[in-house]
Amino acid sequence: KQEVTQIPAALSVPEGENLVLNCSFTDSAIYNLQWFRQDPGKGLTSLLLIQSSQREQTSGRLNASLDKSSGRSTLYIAASQPGDSATYLCAVKDGTASKLTFGTGTRLQVTL
Amino acid sequence: NAGVTQTPKFQVLKTGQSMTLQCAQDMNHNSMYWYRQDPGMGLRLIYYSASEGTTDKGEVPNGYNVSRLNKREFSLRLESAAPSQTSVYFCASSELGLWGNQPQHFGDGTRLSIL
Repeated sequence: KQEVTQIPAALSVPEGENLVLNCSFTDSAIYNLQWFRQDPGKGLTSLLLIQSSQREQTSGRLNASLDKSSGRSTLYIAASQPGDSATYLCAVKDGTASKLTFGTGTRLQVTL
Repeated sequence: NAGVTQTPKFQVLKTGQSMTLQCAQDMNHNSMYWYRQDPGMGLRLIYYSASEGTTDKGEVPNGYNVSRLNKREFSLRLESAAPSQTSVYFCASSELGLWGNQPQHFGDGTRLSIL
């Protein structure tokens, strides 16, 4: 059974810092991995999707990497801003593409 | 664009009552999903519909039924609500089904409390 872990559960950084969020998964036979953002009281917004054959994806200040062999993905946020404050979730689609398994998220606060 | 719209946004039920959560998407997506989100747990898939006319069980289907009314709409029904079904329910859609590499688009959720 695939398990997805995100550490830390919460993180507070001052504005302008570069930061890394971590996601680990137990079964390396994945189809893809996605990073989402969730604002309080809202649904999930897809940020980046990395296919199993890819090593990284970039969108603006965000860069996500994937290392299947070690069962890890990182989301790098450059020059953090208060507007980046949210919960970040990673989700792994397993190799049979039957389901997405979500982590419990990292709650990020960027302070002025 | 509205994207994925869920109604209602909040609901309180008594144990044993029934209700239907509504979901509609305007992106012409083929696949739709229902998840629940509970504190300390990741989102869990309840049911999904890979295409109009098909539905399949997800990870936690017990106590729920679904209907894919048409390409746009996918409803979730609780026939006899139980306190364990207190949760935030999210509907999502994607262009292709589970085999696609397209992201899922989520609604803002329905916060359901069962007393």
